[in-house]
Amino acid sequence: AQTVTQSQPEMSVQEAETVTLSCTYDTSESDYYLFWYKQPPSRQMILVIRQEAYKQQNATENRFSVNFQKAAKSFSLKISDSQLGDAAMYFCAYRSADSNYQLIWGAGTKLIIKP
Amino acid sequence: GAVVSQHPSRVICKSGTSVKIECRSLDFQATTMFWYRQFPKQSLMLMATSNEGSKATYEQGVEKDKFLINHASLTLSTLTVTSAHPEDSSFYICSARDQAVNYNSPLHFGNGTRLTVT
Repeated sequence: AQTVTQSQPEMSVQEAETVTLSCTYDTSESDYYLFWYKQPPSRQMILVIRQEAYKQQNATENRFSVNFQKAAKSFSLKISDSQLGDAAMYFCAYRSADSNYQLIWGAGTKLIIKP
Repeated sequence: GAVVSQHPSRVICKSGTSVKIECRSLDFQATTMFWYRQFPKQSLMLMATSNEGSKATYEQGVEKDKFLINHASLTLSTLTVTSAHPEDSSFYICSARDQAVNYNSPLHFGNGTRLTVT
């Protein structure tokens, strides 16, 4: 069975600085998708970024980028120029390519932005 | 973008009563919806997969007679918590997939429902 591990329960960063959130996963599959979701205090789950395992190029979305290391089964999220609005819980998630869209979730990392 | 409406956002009920939570895809059709439960400061726990026109698939340990799921149309799934008890108090979230989008489309989430059983 697949597992997703986020080893950082909480991270803090100074506003405008860069922070990296870690995520590792375990799978025997070769084709899958990885996601980072943000859950602010409003509790709305917001998709931040996603990566297809077959793509070698790391996904980027404005200030958000990932470092996808398939061999190491690592999928970290880098947030550049951190803003107060980035404060939230961040969840890493895995989905098999042949699944019925079920997501396997990490435990989450609480990101605190210091003004 | 695709919107999932979940209602109500908050509900308080007395122990022993039943509560229905609705999850609607507003601008897309969803043959599959997912129901999650989230405890404070924890991740999402998948409760069940709701399939339009057929029975839901429940995860191990989730009581199907207590958490009734109905997915009667391509835009609506409901979760009914029957004979609610204080331990059912939690945050419930639904998500849905746009069936018209290709296989790698992301899930769209509702805003969640805070259930408090007194």
